[in-house]
Amino acid sequence: GAVVSQHPSRVICKSGTSVKIECRSLDFQATTMFWYRQFPKQSLMLMATSNEGSKATYEQGVEKDKFLINHASLTLSTLTVTSAHPEDSSFYICSASSDRGLYYGYGYTFGSGTRLTVV
Amino acid sequence: KQEVTQIPAALSVPEGENLVLNCSFTDSAIYNLQWFRQDPGKGLTSLLLIQSSQREQTSGRLNASLDKSSGRSTLYIAASQPGDSATYLCAGTQGGSEKLVFGKGTKLTVNP
Repeated sequence: GAVVSQHPSRVICKSGTSVKIECRSLDFQATTMFWYRQFPKQSLMLMATSNEGSKATYEQGVEKDKFLINHASLTLSTLTVTSAHPEDSSFYICSASSDRGLYYGYGYTFGSGTRLTVV
Repeated sequence: KQEVTQIPAALSVPEGENLVLNCSFTDSAIYNLQWFRQDPGKGLTSLLLIQSSQREQTSGRLNASLDKSSGRSTLYIAASQPGDSATYLCAGTQGGSEKLVFGKGTKLTVNP
């Protein structure tokens, strides 16, 4: 199968600090990774798309200077929430895709999510 | 802009019942369609993927179909069990884009 590991699962931080969330594809090379944000009882909102070795593409309305995305290798992407504020508190989920995933019918594989609470 | 509607928003059924969840897209030009389940506070688990050349997929008690002419998909769950209780999300991509567009989900409760 295709497995995506996301860490940490929960994090509490103080306002003004930065938090890094990691997303790793464990058994496949993820050519593209996606970062989503989910508000309570809402669906997933795509924040940005990242391809290994290139700059992330952010969705309209997402502050790229606040949500820094780095996709340094084919197995790791990171999301850093800079100068976090309480309104950044949310559930963040990453996903990854590869040609292998579509070929074997896995489609997009998601991490387990990170619950960020900014106090 | 593609929008995805899932009906019903919530569903409660007794154990053993067969049920159908619905998903519709405003733009029927769906390339790949995927159904997921999400447990409270957790990430998404992929259930079924219908690729561009397919119309239907089955896995165990689950069957998903896609009618590309209407942009509608259904997820059929046979002989529901309490362990099936979760939120079910459908999502699709369109040709030329890798972006998944999600519905808001159907919250399913299967009562013992």
